[in-house]
Amino acid sequence: GAGVSQTPSNKVTEKGKYVELRCDPISGHTALYWYRQSLGQGPEFLIYFQGTGAADDSGLPNDRFFAVRPEGSVSTLKIQRTERGDSAVYLCASSPLGAEETQYFGPGTRLLVL
Amino acid sequence: EDQVTQSPEALRLQEGESSSLNCSYTVSGLRGLFWYRQDPGKGPEFLFTLYSAGEEKEKERLKATLTKKESFLHITAPKPEDSATYLCAVILTSGTYKYIFGTGTRLKVLA
Repeated sequence: GAGVSQTPSNKVTEKGKYVELRCDPISGHTALYWYRQSLGQGPEFLIYFQGTGAADDSGLPNDRFFAVRPEGSVSTLKIQRTERGDSAVYLCASSPLGAEETQYFGPGTRLLVL
Repeated sequence: EDQVTQSPEALRLQEGESSSLNCSYTVSGLRGLFWYRQDPGKGPEFLFTLYSAGEEKEKERLKATLTKKESFLHITAPKPEDSATYLCAVILTSGTYKYIFGTGTRLKVLA
């Protein structure tokens, strides 16, 4: 079956612009995570959704970052007033039911802020 | 502060030369420890989950073990296709859903 997909695969934007990154989880998976990965580092937790609700958003770095999952499937990570330090690979992962299960990762969106 | 440390940062092995990767953790309470493999330009791929000290899991040339302070990923007779970055991650018992990842070990297996 289809895995987790993320669009766009690459995004180049200018400092101060707004960007949206999309994640399509595996069909039927209720748990969804967003991570940010900088070069040479492990993924850094941003937010966890269980269904439509954000069960843990403690990893969002500041109020420029926001994520939604209105129908419990597709999720969008939104970044306002982008800064050069936001440049990274943004990864999405889903799992069937909950947080302790195997996470299936997407290929990531490579964001470059000029 | 909850922390996950992986060593070595990078490892070069000859094909067939067995070795171990280390993941040590200092956390308030461990709910589970995960090993992932990540190839360049791709998302991490799940390998193993370990939940309690003494637990072991095996898959092909890989074997993961867990103690109260660390986990090892043993690679037996590696092949060039095992070259990748190996990441470990923990999830805590403290009511958070946050995963904490280590920085990974970059493994290169030479033919």
